Amino acid sequence: EDQVTQSPEALRLQEGESSSLNCSYTVSGLRGLFWYRQDPGKGPEFLFTLYSAGEEKEKERLKATLTKKESFLHITAPKPEDSATYLCAVQAQGNKLVFGAGTILRVKS
Amino acid sequence: DTGVSQDPRHKITKRGQNVTFRCDPISEHNRLYWYRQTLGQGPEFLTYFQNEAQLEKSRLLSDRFSAERPKGSFSTLEIQRTEQGDSAMYLCASSPRANTGELFFGEGSRLTVL
Repeated sequence: EDQVTQSPEALRLQEGESSSLNCSYTVSGLRGLFWYRQDPGKGPEFLFTLYSAGEEKEKERLKATLTKKESFLHITAPKPEDSATYLCAVQAQGNKLVFGAGTILRVKS
Repeated sequence: DTGVSQDPRHKITKRGQNVTFRCDPISEHNRLYWYRQTLGQGPEFLTYFQNEAQLEKSRLLSDRFSAERPKGSFSTLEIQRTEQGDSAMYLCASSPRANTGELFFGEGSRLTVL
């Protein structure tokens, strides 16, 4: 069965303090790995798609990378507005995504 | 606003009652998805429509759950004989093409079963 594990569960950073979130996965036949951001009381918002090991995507202060077993979301010099829950998901068979439980990020000024 | 719209945003009901949620996807998107999210967890897939055809259903979708998309536009998710374990956020998403994980989510319908 496809599984996604995210760590840490929660992360507190000072503004400007760079860090990484981890997403490890077990899936038969990865068709894509996806990162989403979710603000409290809102639906997830799509950030990145990664298809193959070695691929990287960047958007503002965020950079996502992919290996054969895990993905990292690097946050460089975060700001308070980056505070959110970051969700990782994989797509294997069919059209469904399997999500991890997320990492809650809090950035303090 | 041309995003995915869900109604109602909040629903409180008593155990045993039926509830129905509505989702209006982005107008040009013919793929529609329902997910369920409980506190502290990621969304769990429930079902997928391409136009009016329901092509995938999760084993999570028990006989008490039914989803429709009668004209390939809006969709409804009905839960019959609600149980306390049904309390969750029900998320609808749409996409313009198949086999993509780039989904556009609505803000969700939060269900509380007393």
